[in-house]
Amino acid sequence: ETGVTQTPRHLVMGMTNKKSLKCEQHLGHNAMYWYKQSAKKPLELMFVYNFKEQTENNSVPSRFSPECPNSSHLFLHLHTLQPEDSALYLCASSLDRDSRGYTFGSGTRLTVV
Amino acid sequence: AQTVTQSQPEMSVQEAETVTLSCTYDTSESDYYLFWYKQPPSRQMILVIRQEAYKQQNATENRFSVNFQKAAKSFSLKISDSQLGDAAMYFCAYRSGNDMRFGAGTRLTVKP
Repeated sequence: ETGVTQTPRHLVMGMTNKKSLKCEQHLGHNAMYWYKQSAKKPLELMFVYNFKEQTENNSVPSRFSPECPNSSHLFLHLHTLQPEDSALYLCASSLDRDSRGYTFGSGTRLTVV
Repeated sequence: AQTVTQSQPEMSVQEAETVTLSCTYDTSESDYYLFWYKQPPSRQMILVIRQEAYKQQNATENRFSVNFQKAAKSFSLKISDSQLGDAAMYFCAYRSGNDMRFGAGTRLTVKP
């Protein structure tokens, strides 16, 4: 356990469903991130939150909606997804501009049917 | 935009032998950090080793070491005395500020 907890670990949802992914860290980090990991592709940065403010939205479709109520929690709300959205969604956190890299969660394996 | 390239999708090494994973990157920044992450089947991305671009000395962490060639924008990972537990996906990453970019990964197999 690295200190970044993601739930659920697995999620299967239909294209008309609405679900949310949760990420939580109590490491005192002030930046949190959502990444999408698809097979044989580099990790894709989706969203960056710094001190609860969204600082980057990497051209992500609006069917993905992030929420950061405080610096310890990050959500990714999902609605009307497509089968190509099936992937591993990784959350990470870090200290702002810190050299030590990111701390990752174990991800949520999402399957859209 | 910064890009990170890992040219070896898969690598294999015999247990107790040494293997080197390649990584190149493209940037116009002078101040940045480089990382190697390991992702075993448990899916947890684990930091293996990191290098500050301003440091000339190559980083070392036990059996893991890097060959950092700043001018060539190359950052390879050497794993010595490979162990079965080293089998995983390895990702090279570049960070400048809050922007972390990853390569596509190299799957390392360790043969007993």
